[in-house]
Amino acid sequence: QVQLVQSGAEVKRPGASVKVSCRTSAYTFNTYFIHWVRQAPGQGLEWMGILNPYSGTTTYAQKLQGRATLTRDTSTGTVYMELSSLRSEDTAVYYCVRGARMGDYDYWGQGTLVSVSS
Amino acid sequence: DIRMTQSPSSLSASVGDRVTMTCRASQGVSNYVAWFQQKPGKAPKSLIYATSSLHSDVPSRFSGTESGTDFTLTISSLQPEDYATYYCQQYDSYPLTFGGGTKVEIK
Repeated sequence: QVQLVQSGAEVKRPGASVKVSCRTSAYTFNTYFIHWVRQAPGQGLEWMGILNPYSGTTTYAQKLQGRATLTRDTSTGTVYMELSSLRSEDTAVYYCVRGARMGDYDYWGQGTLVSVSS
Repeated sequence: DIRMTQSPSSLSASVGDRVTMTCRASQGVSNYVAWFQQKPGKAPKSLIYATSSLHSDVPSRFSGTESGTDFTLTISSLQPEDYATYYCQQYDSYPLTFGGGTKVEIK
């Protein structure tokens, strides 16, 4: 069945970068968009951005513009989310989600905890 | 950005109760509203898309309706496995935005 499997937890220092992977399987990679959503501890959900696996085109939340980068490897069906200049407020669980260009989410990754602390 | 104001932030209910929660959009979003269920320590689960369409594995006791810019999720008869936090989301325009969540607790 369709799966989105994310990489493991990360601990980073402020100012560092983190790169989280999301490996997809059991569907045609190019036919669904991948969104990224994060959730700070005890908080709600925040949309970060979207990648079109066919073209590589991306759109980001204004708040993260310049710090977030989404890329993909079409040979392995993997999407990457890199966040730079990390701050303590970036501590969160990061999810990749399969969907259409404007949402319609169906499958979620299991989440990756990124902790930012000095 | 479109703001999704979700209410109540929490509620207590008993098994078998009818439960409703609402999201109010700050501007028109057509029918592009989704609902998600999240249990502690787990990824969200997609329940409803396009205001009222259930994903394939979602029980029929869940339903979604719309009245203008107000969107409602109803659980017709609350089951033990329904205790969770529920989020709405608009996907009419970027940035996609979520409501603050409604936590459904055991009464």
